[in-house]
Amino acid sequence: EPEVTQTPSHQVTQMGQEVILRCVPISNHLYFYWYRQILGQKVEFLVSFYNNEISEKSEIFDDQFSVERPDGSNFTLKIRSTKLEDSAMYFCASSLGMESPLHFGNGTRLTVT
Amino acid sequence: AQSVSQHNHHVILSEAASLELGCNYSYGGTVNLFWYVQYPGQHLQLLLKYFSGDPLVKGIKGFEAEFIKSKFSFNLRKPSVQWSDTAEYFCAVNSGYSTLTFGKGTMLLVSP
Repeated sequence: EPEVTQTPSHQVTQMGQEVILRCVPISNHLYFYWYRQILGQKVEFLVSFYNNEISEKSEIFDDQFSVERPDGSNFTLKIRSTKLEDSAMYFCASSLGMESPLHFGNGTRLTVT
Repeated sequence: AQSVSQHNHHVILSEAASLELGCNYSYGGTVNLFWYVQYPGQHLQLLLKYFSGDPLVKGIKGFEAEFIKSKFSFNLRKPSVQWSDTAEYFCAVNSGYSTLTFGKGTMLLVSP
């Protein structure tokens, strides 16, 4: 069964540094998402992406965040200047259609020190 | 705005016990409902979903969930749990073209 893959599995970075989290969605999926889960809290929506542009974003997704689909397979999340509170598990997901179930990757654990 | 409540944060059961995890949502319109499971060290996986039709939905690994519209609930059930069901379970909802909203999750520990 095809999977969403995320790299790296764990990223440690210093406060103020830029970080890029990478995702390869399922190849025939059209909708892409980033969610995050701060330890002990619920999974939170960050952003959705369709047709090479952001279709929806949450309040969390401020100017420090950006997403890109640089080629036909990768979907990246960039945090320009990381803060301690950005430490979380970041999940990429993709879906075939707007109301289709999301398929999630294994997540990238980001630790900001 | 839609929201999801999972009332049990931790549940501990012995093997062969029956399971019911509560999920309530708040939204007045048509909703799609999901249960995702996250096994230790693994990604979130879809367990089952409800879009329309029969409110009793059967998913993988013997799980089922019942949509009760009048109670705004979508409780997850399994008649007899196994040690391998130890995982975190997330209820989620979306409506129309909105993105998924997750509950806080319920950690299930099944002792052998």
